[in-house]
Amino acid sequence: GQNIDQPTEMTATEGAIVQINCTYQTSGFNGLFWYQQHAGEAPTFLSYNVLDGLEEKGRFSSFLSRSKGYSYLLLKELQMKDSASYLCAVRGDWGFGNVLHCGSGTQVIVLP
Amino acid sequence: DSGVTQTPKHLITATGQRVTLRCSPRSGDLSVYWYQQSLDQGLQFLIHYYNGEERAKGNILERFSAQQFPDLHSELNLSSLELGDSALYFCASSVGVGTNTEAFFGQGTRLTVV
Repeated sequence: GQNIDQPTEMTATEGAIVQINCTYQTSGFNGLFWYQQHAGEAPTFLSYNVLDGLEEKGRFSSFLSRSKGYSYLLLKELQMKDSASYLCAVRGDWGFGNVLHCGSGTQVIVLP
Repeated sequence: DSGVTQTPKHLITATGQRVTLRCSPRSGDLSVYWYQQSLDQGLQFLIHYYNGEERAKGNILERFSAQQFPDLHSELNLSSLELGDSALYFCASSVGVGTNTEAFFGQGTRLTVV
């Protein structure tokens, strides 16, 4: 997605930790979302950050730095079912209104 | 279950035809976003409605249009369909526009144009 950058693919082994970085450039920032999407299915909400800092939810944590236009999603104790695409989405002014704009996704491959 | 309902789940139609995709947002949500996701591609923002009014347009073709009704459900109309329009179409809803609220996606409509 335009102005949202995240790696295309990451590979890790079961039980490991993976960190997916996301950088963005927008004005009127109003929240950053992480979604998990299995192939052919709907994106599933994982986390929402609007203030700087770390939000922890079980095995998943998300961090935001608004001044740096940077976020990461941390996946701990990886399981095979975590193999999916992870979308970074930012609500902000992308030049055509305040909308939720999505990155192209990071495909995480978990190996046994 | 996100609470966002999209119908139909699957749609197969011929080139040149017109289809309507429907989205019912979560109860209480006023904002509806539409996205197109082609094979192995990211989610491309199409259009955003808030409380019945169009608020923003993304990369939406002129052959496509949308509206949000008084009961807040939304419809995406795709006309003069081409093979390249085959994709997953998702809608997402949230309470507001710029408020600190979460956004949830529906299960999507898979459109196949043959």
